[in-house]
Amino acid sequence: QKEVEQDPGPLSVPEGAIVSLNCTYSNSAFQYFMWYRQYSRKGPELLMYTYSSGNKEDGRFTAQVDKSSKYISLFIRDSQPSDSATYLCAMGKTSYDKVIFGPGTSLSVIP
Amino acid sequence: DTGVSQNPRHKITKRGQNVTFRCDPISEHNRLYWYRQTLGQGPEFLTYFQNEAQLEKSRLLSDRFSAERPKGSFSTLEIQRTEQGDSAMYLCASRLSGTEETQYFGPGTRLLVL
Repeated sequence: QKEVEQDPGPLSVPEGAIVSLNCTYSNSAFQYFMWYRQYSRKGPELLMYTYSSGNKEDGRFTAQVDKSSKYISLFIRDSQPSDSATYLCAMGKTSYDKVIFGPGTSLSVIP
Repeated sequence: DTGVSQNPRHKITKRGQNVTFRCDPISEHNRLYWYRQTLGQGPEFLTYFQNEAQLEKSRLLSDRFSAERPKGSFSTLEIQRTEQGDSAMYLCASRLSGTEETQYFGPGTRLLVL
C-alpha cells in the first residue's frame, strides 16, 4: 500500500461545477498537508498549505484535513476551464521534511 | 523572476551518456530538494540539502546519481551512464528553514534517454 492514495481520474466537469478532490494516507505522523496544481509539462504550483486538522479557504479553493480519518480534500467552487490541470495532494511530517505526494488527479473543466 | 529556476528545461541524451542539471533556488532559501516525476505519477523525493550539507538521500538515488550544493546556493544533479529508465522530469524545490513555509517548485528539467 502506498503512503498516499489519490483517485487518478480523469475527472471531467462542466464549467461552474463544484469539484471535490480527495486523498487518503496511511502514516499518522503526517502533520502538514498541501495541494499543488500542475499544468502539463510544468512544475507543481502550491495552492493550499495547512497544518493538522481543520479547514482553510482561499478564494474559490477550500482545503479540509481530517486526521482522525487520514483523509484530506480540496474543493473548487465555480470551476473554470483554467482550472484544468493535475492536482497533487502532498504531505510531510514536519514543515521542513521531504514531501510525499499522491499520484495526482487529472481534472478537465469543460466550457 | 524570483522563483526557483532550473536549467536546462529539456535534455535528450543517448543511453550511457552523463548529464548534469542545475537548480537555482529562491534567494535566501537554505533548504533545497530534488524530486523525480515520471508520467502519471506524483513527484518522488530524491535528496535534500540544508545549505551545502546533503542531509538525506532516497534509496531511489542510485550510485549513478550525485547531487552537490557546493556554496549553499545553486545545486547540481548529475546522472552518470544514463539508462532509459532515467527518463523523467527532475524537479527542484526550495524553502526557508526556521519558518513554517513549505516548498516551492521550479519548472523542472525533462530528461529523455534514447
